[in-house]
Amino acid sequence: NFVLTQPHSVSESPGKTVTISCTRSSGSIASDYVQWYQQRPGSAPTTVIYEDNKRPSGVPGRFSGSIDSSSNSASLIISGVKTDDEADYYCHSYDGSDHWVFGGGTRLTVL
Amino acid sequence: EVQLVESGGGLVKPGGSLRLSCAASGFTFNFYNMHWVRQAPGKGLEWVSSISNTGSYIYYGDSMKGRFTISRDNAKNSLYLQMNSLRAEDTAVYYCARRADDSPHLDYWGQGTLVTVSS
Repeated sequence: NFVLTQPHSVSESPGKTVTISCTRSSGSIASDYVQWYQQRPGSAPTTVIYEDNKRPSGVPGRFSGSIDSSSNSASLIISGVKTDDEADYYCHSYDGSDHWVFGGGTRLTVL
Repeated sequence: EVQLVESGGGLVKPGGSLRLSCAASGFTFNFYNMHWVRQAPGKGLEWVSSISNTGSYIYYGDSMKGRFTISRDNAKNSLYLQMNSLRAEDTAVYYCARRADDSPHLDYWGQGTLVTVSS
């Protein structure tokens, strides 16, 4: 089994671009899709990115996802970050046998 | 409107058992794979288990194997999680979630049910 490692927290000013990384410990990041979930306090998670870089309907275009095979990592990029984006963000992937793994989560603070 | 409503959480002693239920509505339940995900207080998400739409394929997280059993009753539009030999570290909010059609993400989640394992 592999581990997905995220920074514990990131912070940025409103209007800037913030990037949250997710590094896979073993196996290729490109071999299985990566998803990103947003979780606000007291609420269930919601998907903001699925299949590496797709956005569900209703998710603003400010949210995007990418994969970097050289660093074996995925990134969630939020451009023009807003105070409303403050939340915990979790990456997720799986191995070929449908064993799912979540990253440890990143707390985004918009100051 | 898709709805997932968990129930069955509560306080249980270490070594005890509990059965969680998830009532699904607003979609054709037997078309979708379903998952359980948990979150310990103040901690991150942890995948617990999944079951295919027909119940034929079942998977568990490593720390749950041999203690937890996932099942479903498509006639009752319900998902279950039988938890045995509970430990303090099993204390968490347990979410029922639907896997999206033909995509590896969870597109709908319940509100969660809290399980507390304590003497």
